[in-house]
Amino acid sequence: DQQVKQNSPSLSVQEGRISILNCDYTNSMFDYFLWYKKYPAEGPTFLISISSIKDKNEDGRFTVFLNKSAKHLSLHIVPSQPGDSAVYFCAARGYNTDKLIFGTGTRLQVFP
Amino acid sequence: GAGVSQSPSNKVTEKGKDVELRCDPISGHTALYWYRQSLGQGLEFLIYFQGNSAPDKSGLPSDRFSAERTGGSVSTLTIQRTQQEDSAVYLCASSPGNSYNEQFFGPGTRLTVL
Repeated sequence: DQQVKQNSPSLSVQEGRISILNCDYTNSMFDYFLWYKKYPAEGPTFLISISSIKDKNEDGRFTVFLNKSAKHLSLHIVPSQPGDSAVYFCAARGYNTDKLIFGTGTRLQVFP
Repeated sequence: GAGVSQSPSNKVTEKGKDVELRCDPISGHTALYWYRQSLGQGLEFLIYFQGNSAPDKSGLPSDRFSAERTGGSVSTLTIQRTQQEDSAVYLCASSPGNSYNEQFFGPGTRLTVL
């Protein structure tokens, strides 16, 4: 039973364009959402997060949108750069716990 | 740098053998987590330590898996009588605790069970 789902295993985007990575969740008790980025042979690194009381958080080229009614969040990267090529994981945290539930990841490839 | 470190980086073992994986968290971090990533899968939560509280073991897949954290710092994940389905990358993360949201990950240990 996958509580956090990333239905697109891969995404290919041209440099300079917008990358949109999607994530759906099933548990309405999740109160915090995070995006992690992972390069091969490295551990995931934190990218951006959003609290369930917000619907948008922006940090430079990265923006995360949260639609609670749809139980959906998305990560927008604009403009996309070749260095953004990595696997992106969506993660969710339940209320009153520090445990993270991760999605299966989306591999983003940004080509010149 | 003073990031999370894990050892060994790679481990190949034979089915039925026991293995120990080590994690050195960031100094001062009170929370420590173990995850694993099997081929084509997301990160699966295994176990979580927070300070002196009893660990949350709800993600351990079987009683062959155990973990301890000595002195509130270094942690060891032990897998007894390894099986081929235990092959995965085992990732450790730490955080300052106190509901700090971001977790800092180590590079992982790639375990291959032949």
